[in-house]
Amino acid sequence: QVQLVQSGAEVKKPGASVKVSCNISGDTFTDSYIHWVRQAPGHGLEWMGWINPNNGGSNSAQRFQGRVTMTRDTSITTVYMELSRLRSDDTAVYYCARDFKIRGFSDYWGQGTLVTVSS
Amino acid sequence: EIVMTQSPATLSVSPGERATLSCRASRSISSNLAWYQHKPGQAPRLLIYGASTRATGVPARFSGSGSGTEFTLTISSLQSEDFAVYYCQQYNNWRPGLTFGGGTKVEI
Repeated sequence: QVQLVQSGAEVKKPGASVKVSCNISGDTFTDSYIHWVRQAPGHGLEWMGWINPNNGGSNSAQRFQGRVTMTRDTSITTVYMELSRLRSDDTAVYYCARDFKIRGFSDYWGQGTLVTVSS
Repeated sequence: EIVMTQSPATLSVSPGERATLSCRASRSISSNLAWYQHKPGQAPRLLIYGASTRATGVPARFSGSGSGTEFTLTISSLQSEDFAVYYCQQYNNWRPGLTFGGGTKVEI
């Protein structure tokens, strides 16, 4: 059974960085990409980027480029999303999601991590 | 960037009724469209991919149709557990970026 388990909620000050982890079990890295998607309060789903856990290749939505870094640790089948220079409008629930066979849609999702940015 | 537009924003229906949700792409995406169901406090759930293929475990009352720029998600007979927000997502030529629609809230 595939499971994606994310790290816990975070509270950060504006200008700080946050790093969210996503541990994948019941799957192999070789066949999947991991997407990061967020939902701000009162808003819809917003795609942030993807990472190829096999080789660490990644790409992010233009609006996050320069602020988001996606990495992985294959030894513990965990991927990370770090968002820097946080603003209040980065307050959101952040999800990781598995894209099996790299098709562009996600069949398994993490439980979500609430990141609150407040002074 | 491909823009996805969903309508209506809110759909008020009664249990047992049929619900029809629309999703339009700003340019053709062939059949590269997925639908997700999202309930408060839960992770999104994949319902449909390839515009019309139900994901594993999804009840037959959910069906998807369309291609090109116009897509529809139909819930044939709404159950109480179906009240949620539904999002479409395109994945045509997706490596530069995926995009979601703004969502349709299905409420009583």
